[in-house]
Amino acid sequence: AQSVTQLGSHVSVSEGALVLLRCNYSSSVPPYLFWYVQYPNQGLQLLLKYTSAATLVKGINGFEAEFKKSETSFHLTKPSAHMSDAAEYFCAVTVTDKLIFGTGTRLQVFP
Amino acid sequence: EPEVTQTPSHQVTQMGQEVILRCVPISNHLYFYWYRQILGQKVEFLVSFYNNEISEKSEIFDDQFSVERPDGSNFTLKIRSTKLEDSAMYFCASSVTAGVSTATNEKLFFGSGTQLSVL
Repeated sequence: AQSVTQLGSHVSVSEGALVLLRCNYSSSVPPYLFWYVQYPNQGLQLLLKYTSAATLVKGINGFEAEFKKSETSFHLTKPSAHMSDAAEYFCAVTVTDKLIFGTGTRLQVFP
Repeated sequence: EPEVTQTPSHQVTQMGQEVILRCVPISNHLYFYWYRQILGQKVEFLVSFYNNEISEKSEIFDDQFSVERPDGSNFTLKIRSTKLEDSAMYFCASSVTAGVSTATNEKLFFGSGTQLSVL
């Protein structure tokens, strides 16, 4: 069975600081991995996805994630946090045509 | 940009009552899904629906749950007799295609959710 684990239910950073949201996966086959973001009162929006092409994946709003097979990780990073990045972030892995999500990480950005 | 619409945004009900959560998928989409998230827990897959029938369901989706596409535009989730543990955020999603494909999940559009509270 496939699963993802997100370490840290809450992460707080100062504006301009590095954002690092952690995700580790478990899969018996090469996985497809995703990061979704949910802004307040909005639906889940795709940030980026890993498709087995490039291990470093760039997404929207300056986010990127690196697939590391040796560490079974797919951590999400952004060099410089912006106030508008405050949201809930979900890591996910595919199984057939359904997504398996992590528990989410709430990112707070302080001025 | 097209969007998936869910109503209501919040629903409060008494235990044992029936609730219907409504979703309007994007008009040319063919595959429909319900997910839910209990507070503090993972977003969980409930059911997928295509061609007027369920294509896959999770073990959560027991006989108390049903889905319907009554009129070609709405996609509903009915909980026949709600329990306290049904309290959760319910997300509807739709896509044009399905299958194990990165493109599939890229085209998966989510609604903003209905927060169901069972008292």
